[in-house]
Amino acid sequence: EVQLVESGGGMVQPGGSLRLSCAASGFTFSYHYIDWVRQAPGKGLEWVGRSRNKANGYTTEYAASVKGRFTISRDDSTSTVSLLMNSLKTEDTAVYYCVRVLRGGDCFDYWGQGTLVTVTS
Amino acid sequence: DIQMTQSPSTLSASAGDRVTIACRASESINRWMAWYQQKPGKAPKLLIWDASNLESGVPSRFSGSGSGTEFTLTISSLQPDDFATYYCQQYVSFPRTFGQGTKVEVK
Repeated sequence: EVQLVESGGGMVQPGGSLRLSCAASGFTFSYHYIDWVRQAPGKGLEWVGRSRNKANGYTTEYAASVKGRFTISRDDSTSTVSLLMNSLKTEDTAVYYCVRVLRGGDCFDYWGQGTLVTVTS
Repeated sequence: DIQMTQSPSTLSASAGDRVTIACRASESINRWMAWYQQKPGKAPKLLIWDASNLESGVPSRFSGSGSGTEFTLTISSLQPDDFATYYCQQYVSFPRTFGQGTKVEVK
């Protein structure tokens, strides 16, 4: 069974940092890209960024709203992806989902349960 | 960035109704379109990919169509479990973008 489990969410002050983790299981992690998608309270979905696999150089992509502040990394040996969030702003408050990218397509076929990040003073 | 615009934002319907949700892209995305269903407090669930491919395990009452800039998600006979919010998403270019969502509510 494919599972994605996020952790690391919590409350942080503006300007602070937080690292989210996503633990994957039930599939060959090294084959897949993993993305992060967030959802502010009561709002729609916003794509945050992508981690590509080794075959594609472990390269990353970011939304303009987080570029330069957020960093995605992955560890194939432990099947985990991390989202390091620096210089957090109140508008970064959201539920953060770790998602698996469908091979043969490029949409999101499995989602974690999400972890809430609240940026507040 | 490619803008995705869904209509309507809210749809009131009854069980058994045929429901259609539209999504328009601000430029051509070929068939690189997905649809997701989200229920309150839950993660979204993939329904349709590449505009018309039904994801495994998704009931056949769901269907998708379209190409270029105009797409639709159709539920042929609305079931009680289908009351939820639906999102379209393009994946032809970065940043990946979603529509604002369509809430299907009980009439």
